[in-house]
Amino acid sequence: AQKVTQAQTEISVVEKEDVTLDCVYETRDTTYYLFWYKQPPSGELVFLIRRNSFDEQNEISGRYSWNFQKSTSSFNFTITASQVVDSAVYFCALINAGGTSYGKLTFGQGTILTVHP
Amino acid sequence: DGGITQSPKYLFRKEGQNVTLSCEQNLNHDAMYWYRQDPGQGLRLIYYSQIVNDFQKGDIAEGYSVSREKKESFPLTVTSAQKNPTAFYLCASSIVGGYPDTQYFGPGTRLTVL
Repeated sequence: AQKVTQAQTEISVVEKEDVTLDCVYETRDTTYYLFWYKQPPSGELVFLIRRNSFDEQNEISGRYSWNFQKSTSSFNFTITASQVVDSAVYFCALINAGGTSYGKLTFGQGTILTVHP
Repeated sequence: DGGITQSPKYLFRKEGQNVTLSCEQNLNHDAMYWYRQDPGQGLRLIYYSQIVNDFQKGDIAEGYSVSREKKESFPLTVTSAQKNPTAFYLCASSIVGGYPDTQYFGPGTRLTVL
């Protein structure tokens, strides 16, 4: 069975601060995919990034960056110079590449990020 | 514009009634999914379908039913057997290839049982 843990339930920062959202996962599969989604107040989940288990390169996209470390089973997400529009619930998710878990996304509990002006 | 539509946005149901939530996609995706989200929790998989006329139960299928008669459509029926149906329901779709692909989500339907 797989599991995703986002230990930070809520984070509050002031605009322009950097913030890191933690994600720790558990899986027995050697091939898997990790995702981050953003859920703004409107409710729709917006896809941010997808990373496979063989690619440990960190990725940067504008103010967003992701740090994937297989040794610690973590896939952390950093927002640099946060903005009010970053306020949302952020979900980390895992999907295994084979077996009976194929097609099933396992989500963490989500982290509520509030960025104050 | 390609995307996923869900209707209605808000739905109110009396206890004992069945209700059907609509999900349509024009992304030409083969796979479609239904998730349930409760306050302060992550999403949980109800049902998924990787091809027309075939679908599988997810983790919390009891009290729900689905059909997949067309590639574009995957309606979810919340039956009276579902004991606690008040929740936010999200539909998603993805392509089907040799590996699990990214799931893209619709705007969701908020169901409230009165």
